[in-house]
Amino acid sequence: GQQLNQSPQSMFIQEGEDVSMNCTSSSIFNTWLWYKQEPGEGPVLLIALYKAGELTSNGRLTAQFGITRKDSFLNISASIPSDVGIYFCAGRRGGGADGLTFGKGTHLIIQP
Amino acid sequence: GAGVSQTPSNKVTEKGKYVELRCDPISGHTALYWYRQSLGQGPEFLIYFQGTGAADDSGLPNDRFFAVRPEGSVSTLKIQRTERGDSAVYLCASSKGGSYGYTFGSGTRLTVV
Repeated sequence: GQQLNQSPQSMFIQEGEDVSMNCTSSSIFNTWLWYKQEPGEGPVLLIALYKAGELTSNGRLTAQFGITRKDSFLNISASIPSDVGIYFCAGRRGGGADGLTFGKGTHLIIQP
Repeated sequence: GAGVSQTPSNKVTEKGKYVELRCDPISGHTALYWYRQSLGQGPEFLIYFQGTGAADDSGLPNDRFFAVRPEGSVSTLKIQRTERGDSAVYLCASSKGGSYGYTFGSGTRLTVV
């Protein structure tokens, strides 16, 4: 079963607000990734983190790989309507192409 | 192709029947993955192929599930004696291998009635 605890489960925010979500685990992961999924589509990779302590940005998105390798957060600044969707964290234990363990997702809803 | 293609996009089958789900990965991608996503959950790993061989099949829930990739490209996920609990979206992904991030297809929504 899934072993990543992702929070919050859902977020209702106003357009323009900043968003923060995080993921924790009881075990160590060597890679953390953040995905976004829209209805009827597969998850799309947003940011990949490969080193403990790494802080990476992709436009308005910023993610960090926790120093303990057991957690990660994703921030979205100045949210816009197209940010709506479900955001998943995912971790990989191995160093290669192993399968991923996903969190349950954070459902982001933007109120007009 | 430009992306990962999965067919059919929707499949409704009766309990007890056999189903096959197909995945066409991105051309040249050596690694191929199958995941299952139930409603309100994140994707759950099933099996991973490196070339033609299954490198890790630890996520397959039981022996009713089987997957093949005979020529190292297209893969088929096979489910025997389907049960209502098998209803989910089955996602396929492919990558160049190594620690490269991978690209997901849009999934096959399987409904067992």
